[in-house]
Amino acid sequence: DQQVKQNSPSLSVQEGRISILNCDYTNSMFDYFLWYKKYPAEGPTFLISISSIKDKNEDGRFTVFLNKSAKHLSLHIVPSQPGDSAVYFCAASAWNTGNQFYFGTGTSLTVIP
Amino acid sequence: ETGVTQSPTHLIKTRGQQVTLRCSSQSGHNTVSWYQQALGQGPQFIFQYYREEENGRGNFPPRFSGLQFPNYSSELNVNALELDDSALYLCASSLMAGVSEAFFGQGTRLTVV
Repeated sequence: DQQVKQNSPSLSVQEGRISILNCDYTNSMFDYFLWYKKYPAEGPTFLISISSIKDKNEDGRFTVFLNKSAKHLSLHIVPSQPGDSAVYFCAASAWNTGNQFYFGTGTSLTVIP
Repeated sequence: ETGVTQSPTHLIKTRGQQVTLRCSSQSGHNTVSWYQQALGQGPQFIFQYYREEENGRGNFPPRFSGLQFPNYSSELNVNALELDDSALYLCASSLMAGVSEAFFGQGTRLTVV
């Protein structure tokens, strides 16, 4: 049972425009959410996180939005750059599972120069 | 400060054999988690070790076992390898004090033939 879902396997965006990656989850116990970026032949790299007590967290060009009632989060990248081309994974954890993360299947982002 | 390192990077084994994968945690991290990432999927949690003891396990059979050593490095052992065990195995280290982001190694690509 996939508790974290990323329904868009791929996304293409022009350089300079906004990239929006979406993630849905089913487990209402999840209270901590993360986004990871993964390049080929490398492990996932932590990008940004958000706790369930917030609905928005920003870090430079990256902003994560959390809508708890809809069990939905999104990652906005503005402006998008060619170096952002990678696979992006959404992950979630619950307070009673420590650092056990549940990952989505990933969205492959291509930023076109 | 060193990052998470895994060895070997690639490995080919025959069905029925046993394999040991190794991971060195990031300096200062006392928690290690192992994930399996099959092709086209997100990482799936195998188990986690905290201070040398198993601290959570995902939906994997007992032939997947692990160890954590006093220096917080870790091993993943898989017995009686099956073709479906072919995947990227990721090790992640984190601080156990509260839920926090995990830092991943580059992974070990295991192919079972």
